[in-house]
Amino acid sequence: GDSVTQMEGPVTLSEEAFLTINCTYTATGYPSLFWYVQYPGEGLQLLLKATKADDKGSNKGFEATYRKETTSFHLEKGSVQVSDSAVYFCALSNDYKLSFGAGTTVTVRA
Amino acid sequence: GAVVSQHPSWVICKSGTSVKIECRSLDFQATTMFWYRQFPKQSLMLMATSNEGSKATYEQGVEKDKFLINHASLTLSTLTVTSAHPEDSSFYICSARDTRLAGGLGTDTQYFGPGTRLTVL
Repeated sequence: GDSVTQMEGPVTLSEEAFLTINCTYTATGYPSLFWYVQYPGEGLQLLLKATKADDKGSNKGFEATYRKETTSFHLEKGSVQVSDSAVYFCALSNDYKLSFGAGTTVTVRA
Repeated sequence: GAVVSQHPSWVICKSGTSVKIECRSLDFQATTMFWYRQFPKQSLMLMATSNEGSKATYEQGVEKDKFLINHASLTLSTLTVTSAHPEDSSFYICSARDTRLAGGLGTDTQYFGPGTRLTVL
């Protein structure tokens, strides 16, 4: 079945540091790939998405590129802020169902 | 944008009672909504797919008689936890599938509600 594996956290960074969260997937067919962010006590917010190979999703300074050859969708941000502290989930959509990774907790210190 | 609301945001109930959680898509129609369950510091587990005008589709291991789902309109799905017990305590999150051609971050994207914290005493 479909599955998503993302790097385990927690990840602690200083403000303005570079953030990378690795995500790889296993799926049949051609899934869409997503990154969602969850702030404490809240539901998930869609951060970015990519629907086909080599697509780059970007939003709020975050980027991720759909790499079919490596089955990866790594999330990056060049300069993080304290407000980026949250849990980040990588997910794939196949036949409209989402499969999530375990989530990576990111804490950014001032 | 696409906004999904949930009500209530938190609920505390006694063991044996039933609790209803509402999920609404506020600015778009959603023929398909999804219900998830999230345990502390864990990922989301899909419980069921809610289809407007038809029966919900449950994931393996989810008791359909325990978790009743009704998708009564294109903007509302409800999840009723029947005869709740302490092990049903969890964070329940719904999402709505947006299939519009424009708006949001593109077509066919799931937008999530803020979640409902259920505590069963």
